[in-house]
Amino acid sequence: DGGITQSPKYLFRKEGQNVTLSCEQNLNHDAMYWYRQDPGQGLRLIYYSQIVNDFQKGDIAEGYSVSREKKESFPLTVTSAQKNPTAFYLCASSARYQPQHFGDGTRLSIL
Amino acid sequence: GENVEQHPSTLSVQEGDSAVIKCTYSDSASNYFPWYKQELGKRPQLIIDIRSNVGEKKDQRIAVTLNKTAKHFSLHITETQPEDSAVYFCAHQEYNQGGKLIFGQGTELSVKP
Repeated sequence: DGGITQSPKYLFRKEGQNVTLSCEQNLNHDAMYWYRQDPGQGLRLIYYSQIVNDFQKGDIAEGYSVSREKKESFPLTVTSAQKNPTAFYLCASSARYQPQHFGDGTRLSIL
Repeated sequence: GENVEQHPSTLSVQEGDSAVIKCTYSDSASNYFPWYKQELGKRPQLIIDIRSNVGEKKDQRIAVTLNKTAKHFSLHITETQPEDSAVYFCAHQEYNQGGKLIFGQGTELSVKP
């Protein structure tokens, strides 16, 4: 959706390096989400946030961190503790009780 | 549990035929069931959704049915076209769980001309 912007589109990580994926939305949505998608797999929830300055772990939070300092921004950091970070990362947002809509994703690979 | 089982994992149909994808969930508190279509390398896009107070919803060639007693819901695509070829994901959500969506594993639909 045009209102959810993820950057960069492609990202490469060196061993031992932390990298941050950006997600910005101008839809005034309260809730934001991060999902990981592996080839041929469904989407798995990493972290989600229902309100500014608050977030909760999803099913696969280990090795990731997030912050929600502004309503429109929900960056995801892939830390060096995440040993298998190669995946397609999708950010989504939604208004309360409304469907989630996704950004175009960031494809992360290991150098 | 919150899991959702989606079947089949791959589906091949001839153009003009119907396609049906089924999902089964276990959380009786789930009350919202969206379906997403994902083309290769792109983001998932919502194509239809249904809430628990409705048994069926239709939008042109696409319909979704929900059986809350049996805890399963299905996507029906009629008069399939080659541009329907994509991966389709079902999901379910419980509103008091922060809007979390639990996704199925996906069905790769191939429509042959």
